[in-house]
Amino acid sequence: ILNVEQSPQSLHVQEGDSTNFTCSFPSSNFYALHWYRWETAKSPEALFVMTLNGDEKKKGRISATLNTKEGYSYLYIKGSQPEDSATYLCAFAAGGTSYGKLTFGQGTILTVHP
Amino acid sequence: DGGITQSPKYLFRKEGQNVTLSCEQNLNHDAMYWYRQDPGQGLRLIYYSQIVNDFQKGDIAEGYSVSREKKESFPLTVTSAQKNPTAFYLCASRAREPQTQYFGPGTRLLVL
Repeated sequence: ILNVEQSPQSLHVQEGDSTNFTCSFPSSNFYALHWYRWETAKSPEALFVMTLNGDEKKKGRISATLNTKEGYSYLYIKGSQPEDSATYLCAFAAGGTSYGKLTFGQGTILTVHP
Repeated sequence: DGGITQSPKYLFRKEGQNVTLSCEQNLNHDAMYWYRQDPGQGLRLIYYSQIVNDFQKGDIAEGYSVSREKKESFPLTVTSAQKNPTAFYLCASRAREPQTQYFGPGTRLLVL
C-alpha cells in the first residue's frame, strides 16, 4: 500500500488569514497528483490535477504546487473565508499497472473562523 | 443532470446479514470505484472496475464483493465476512483524462 501523508491533520484560522498545507507521496512511478475539497454533507469535489514537476495551478484564491522529484505538493489558500472550511484531500496516481487507481491521504480539516 | 447517485443514504445491517449498496452513474464513464471512510482516515479503496465485466480488488477488499454487468452500475455487497462494516461508503467514477474522479453522496452503513 502506497504511503500518502498530509499535514497538518487539522487547522483553525481566522477569516482573512492565508494558509497552506502539505501532501507527501512516493517520488517513484508518479503519474498525477490530485487535490479534492470535501465540504460537510457534500461529495468530494476535484480542485486540481497536476502531472508535471514544477506545475502550479490556481483557482480563485486557491493554488497548488508540485514537486515530483522530492514527492510533495502544497495547497495554498489566500485570504481564507468561512466557506473555505472543508476537508482537503490529496490523492496520488501511480502509472503502470496501477493506472486508474488513486491513493488518498487522510486529509487536512480546515476551519475558518469569522 | 449528469452525476452519480448512491442509495440508500443510510443502511442498517444485522449480524450475519449481507447488504448491497447501490451506485449508478450517467456520466458515460468506463471506470468506477468504491471507497470506505472511517473517522480520522482517508478514503481507502475497496474495489474498482475499469470496464464492464471486469473489476479488481483494492487495498481492503476482504469481506466485500462487487459486480459490473452494466456500464452505469457498480453495486457493492458487504458480506457477513466483513467484521467491521460500520463506515461511510463512497462511490466514484472516472473520466479518461486527466483521471478526475467524480463522487456520489455516499451511504452510511451501521450495524444493529
